[in-house]
Amino acid sequence: EVYLVESGGGLVQPGESLRLSCTASGFTFRNYAMTWVRQAPGMGLAWVSAFSVSRISSSGGDPYYADSVKGRFTISRDNSKNTVYLQMSSLRAEDAATYYCAKSSTSSWNAGFDMWGQGTTVTVSS
Amino acid sequence: YDLTQPPSVSVSPGQTASITCTGDNLGGEYVYWYQQKSGQSPVLVISEDTRRPSGIPERFSGSNSDNTATLTISGAQPIDEADYYCQAWDRHTEVVFGGGTKLTVL
Repeated sequence: EVYLVESGGGLVQPGESLRLSCTASGFTFRNYAMTWVRQAPGMGLAWVSAFSVSRISSSGGDPYYADSVKGRFTISRDNSKNTVYLQMSSLRAEDAATYYCAKSSTSSWNAGFDMWGQGTTVTVSS
Repeated sequence: YDLTQPPSVSVSPGQTASITCTGDNLGGEYVYWYQQKSGQSPVLVISEDTRRPSGIPERFSGSNSDNTATLTISGAQPIDEADYYCQAWDRHTEVVFGGGTKLTVL
């Protein structure tokens, strides 16, 4: 069975940093793009970032970001650990949300997301 | 790129529920639909406009043409009460979600 387990959420002050992790099991991690989606309390889903899979890329894939986080967040993956990370810097109050890790149905970052983790909560407050 | 959904849809049990998602030339992109029940993570219910993932009941179906994608739940049941989100790809640069539709079955 496919599992995605997020960790790393917590309470931080504005301007601080946080790193989220998502560890996968039950599928061949290196073959699928991975995505982060967030949901502010009482609000809808918002795509944050994705890391595709590419045999051409020297890093094994390419990162993609929503405009709202570009330059502040960095996505990376360690295929040896079946883990995708989201390094979040210069956090703002509007970044507060539950962050979900999701598996793409293909190696491409723009496919649908056929498995989601349980989410990890990020609170940004002074 | 905006995907517009009605905030709420209400049907009686056994009726057909239709949830729309509109966007410019949406018919030219694949649309995905997610179900999110209260306090739970989203679940993919329709992929690539019309495909139903394994384990999703046959009463769920999808279509996409021109500027509108539609999620149809034929014979909606109380267990289908949830928020539903459409998702597409914006000009090949970003993934975009609709604002979500709260489905009530009562």
